[in-house]
Amino acid sequence: DVKVTQSSRYLVKRTGEKVFLECVQDMDHENMFWYRQDPGLGLRLIYFSYDVKMKEKGDIPEGYSVSREKKERFSLILESASTNQTSMYLCASSPLGVGAANEKLFFGSGTQLSVL
Amino acid sequence: AQSVTQLGSHVSVSEGALVLLRCNYSSSVPPYLFWYVQYPNQGLQLLLKYTSAATLVKGINGFEAEFKKSETSFHLTKPSAHMSDAAEYFCAVRHPNFGNEKLTFGTGTRLTIIP
Repeated sequence: DVKVTQSSRYLVKRTGEKVFLECVQDMDHENMFWYRQDPGLGLRLIYFSYDVKMKEKGDIPEGYSVSREKKERFSLILESASTNQTSMYLCASSPLGVGAANEKLFFGSGTQLSVL
Repeated sequence: AQSVTQLGSHVSVSEGALVLLRCNYSSSVPPYLFWYVQYPNQGLQLLLKYTSAATLVKGINGFEAEFKKSETSFHLTKPSAHMSDAAEYFCAVRHPNFGNEKLTFGTGTRLTIIP
């Protein structure tokens, strides 16, 4: 069964800390995505990657960076955590260009981050 | 740029009643459209998708959606609600070009089923 694994389900950090959120997929997918989910705002794309060492900004990249050193792993980094980054973070992956019939995103279960 | 608007952040229906969740899209070209569902404490999973083939799309768990270009809509329906349908539902859109698999999601609709 396909799997996207996020390293932590719950995380509590202090303002100003550097925070790493890890995501690993076992499906050999080229595409990986980081979204944040907030009540009333839905999912908003932070960053995505089409390949190793490649990244593109999504709709709300400010205050975040990403790293993709290996195909299966996509890390989200909060350089200096702030309270407005308290949120649910969802990682997803998908294959590249397989055609509409097989297209879908596979999501992890999410990391609920609280910044105090 | 593509976007979707979901009308109604909360919808309640009685068990056995019709489920109708609304989604309208905005796109400069005919888009790909998706409905995802999120059960409590889980990630999202695909319910169904429209990718320019048949305009009436059937998905899992008895859900279906119809792409209506004239109304720029992609509403999700199910004839008879079940308690297990209680979840949050997200409509999403993306540009159909190859290599542009970035999805833009709506704000979500939380569906409550009344016994």
